This record gives sequence, structure tokens and C-alpha cells, in this order.
Amino acid sequence: GAGVSQTPSNKVTEKGKYVELRCDPISGHTALYWYRQSLGQGPEFLIYFQGTGAADDSGLPNDRFFAVRPEGSVSTLKIQRTERGDSAVYLCASSASGGANEQFFGPGTRLTVL
Amino acid sequence: KQEVTQIPAALSVPEGENLVLNCSFTDSAIYNLQWFRQDPGKGLTSLLLIQSSQREQTSGRLNASLDKSSGRSTLYIAASQPGDSATYLCAVYQGAQKLVFGQGTRLTINP
Repeated sequence: GAGVSQTPSNKVTEKGKYVELRCDPISGHTALYWYRQSLGQGPEFLIYFQGTGAADDSGLPNDRFFAVRPEGSVSTLKIQRTERGDSAVYLCASSASGGANEQFFGPGTRLTVL
Repeated sequence: KQEVTQIPAALSVPEGENLVLNCSFTDSAIYNLQWFRQDPGKGLTSLLLIQSSQREQTSGRLNASLDKSSGRSTLYIAASQPGDSATYLCAVYQGAQKLVFGQGTRLTINP
């Protein structure tokens, strides 16, 4: 079956603009995660959804970042008033039911803020 | 706060050698531990998941061990091949919800 997909694969934007990043999890996976990976670093947790609700958003760096998952499948990460420091690869993962079950990652979206 | 450290940061070995990558974590109260591979410009590929009650997992030429009490895990790669060249990431499940990653070991296998 299909794995986790993310669109776009690359996004270049200007400082101050708004961006949306999309994640399609593996079909049937109820848990969805967003991570951010800066160059040369390991990924860092942003937010975790169980179904439609954000069960843990403790990793979101500030209120410019917001994520939704309205129907419990596709998720969108939204970044307002982008800053150059937001430049990174944004990774999405899904798992069958959360609770430390194996997470499967998508290819990521590389965001560049000029 | 959980911290995960991977040593070495980079490793270069000739083809055919057996090698060990190291991962340590500060808080032993973890659920599971997962090893990933990341190729340049790509996402993460899961290699092995070790549940907290297990001490090791094997898949082909890969063997991962877990010692929770000492806060350590190792990934053993047998008979290395140039195609094994990638960055290897160790991550622990903290609070059963999120992964905390190390910075990775960049592995180069020389033909």
C-alpha cells in the first residue's frame, strides 16, 4: 500500500508570508505526527494527533504555527508570518494507533524562507 | 528532559567491515526505541523497533540491542556495503507519544 505522502516536496517563500504543508498518512492510521529537521540535526517533535484532535502540541515553537486534521486523515501544518529561522525540512509520520507503535515517515517538505 | 546522543557523528569504513553505531539516552523511562536510516534529501526509513521489554532485534545484516538500565542502544551492521552509506538516527519513544531523536551518525562505506 501507499506510504505517507507530503506535498509540496519543496516550498520557497518570502519572509512574512503564510504557508501550508500537507500530509497524507497511511490509510487507516489514526495517529499522525509532525516533526521539524534543521540541517545536520535530528528531527524535533512538533505536534501529535490522535484522530481529529491534537493530543500533544507541546513542540510547536510559537503561535505562528498551527496544525489541523479535520477528518482524522489528512493533516495541514500552517505557518503564519514566516521567518528565515523557519527554514527546515518538515516531516510527517503516522502510526497505527499511537502509543509508541512504530512510526512511518513521509519524504518531507523542504521549506526555504528567503 | 530526555536527551539522545549518538557517537560518533561520522564514521568511514572500508567495505566488508562489521561496525557498531552507538546511541545513549539520559532518561531510562522509555517505551520503545527505533533506529532509522536517512539518505541525503530523503525522509526516514525505519530499520528496527525494539520494544521496552526486549533486549535486541534483528533484520538481515542489522542487529540492534537495548539496555534500558544503562541508557544505551547499539546498531550492529555486518559485512557493510557501499549501499549502507547514509545517516543513521536513533530515537526513543518518550511519553508513548513522540520520538526524541539523536543527531545521527553519518556513515560512509568505501568500496
